[in-house]
Amino acid sequence: NAGVMQNPRHLVRRRGQEARLRCSPMKGHSHVYWYRQLPEEGLKFMVYLQKENIIDESGMPKERFSAEFPKEGPSILRIQQVVRGDSAAYFCASSPPSRHTGELFFGEGSRLTVL
Amino acid sequence: GQQVMQIPQYQHVQEGEDFTTYCNSSTTLSNIQWYKQRPGGHPVFLIQLVKSGEVKKQKRLTFLFGEAKKNSSLHITATQTTDVGTYFCAGRVTGAQKLVFGQGTRLTINP
Repeated sequence: NAGVMQNPRHLVRRRGQEARLRCSPMKGHSHVYWYRQLPEEGLKFMVYLQKENIIDESGMPKERFSAEFPKEGPSILRIQQVVRGDSAAYFCASSPPSRHTGELFFGEGSRLTVL
Repeated sequence: GQQVMQIPQYQHVQEGEDFTTYCNSSTTLSNIQWYKQRPGGHPVFLIQLVKSGEVKKQKRLTFLFGEAKKNSSLHITATQTTDVGTYFCAGRVTGAQKLVFGQGTRLTINP
């Protein structure tokens, strides 16, 4: 059973470009979380989604950031007009539908560098 | 909003010494989880505590959930070099589904 798959693992963008990060949850998991981690810092909650629904986006910046989890395909975190401060590791995690209060399974992360 | 504080931020020990990290929440939690992240890696689930005053052990690791369900600790006995990494606590407020992480305690070990 494949784990949580994130791609790309590394992404370099220039200021003003767009970044798209993809996350395929574990098979059978319908809950996806996105977290951001700055170097030497903790994990900051960004958004929690179920298929076709955003459940909690209280950690998402109001501008430039958006997330979706369509009925088919991976979850996508989209950052428009990137700035240097967006440079970070973005982790996706998933959990099964029957255990939404249980453990999270993390992907290996997408490391975004903004030049 | 909900905050989870963790101390210390860094801890350096000699191999064989014990290590403890502490976690405090600004609000009562429905459960608390602990994760370990190796340098350059991703967080990996260690354990979940649900009951007030609960204590769980995994070999040399002992996890405690406080009586008020607002604090927790992780204690490692006789550290080994394989214990190196950052340990995060993460909590959920009752009725909420998002998991809020502490800042983590980075453990380094002198062999």
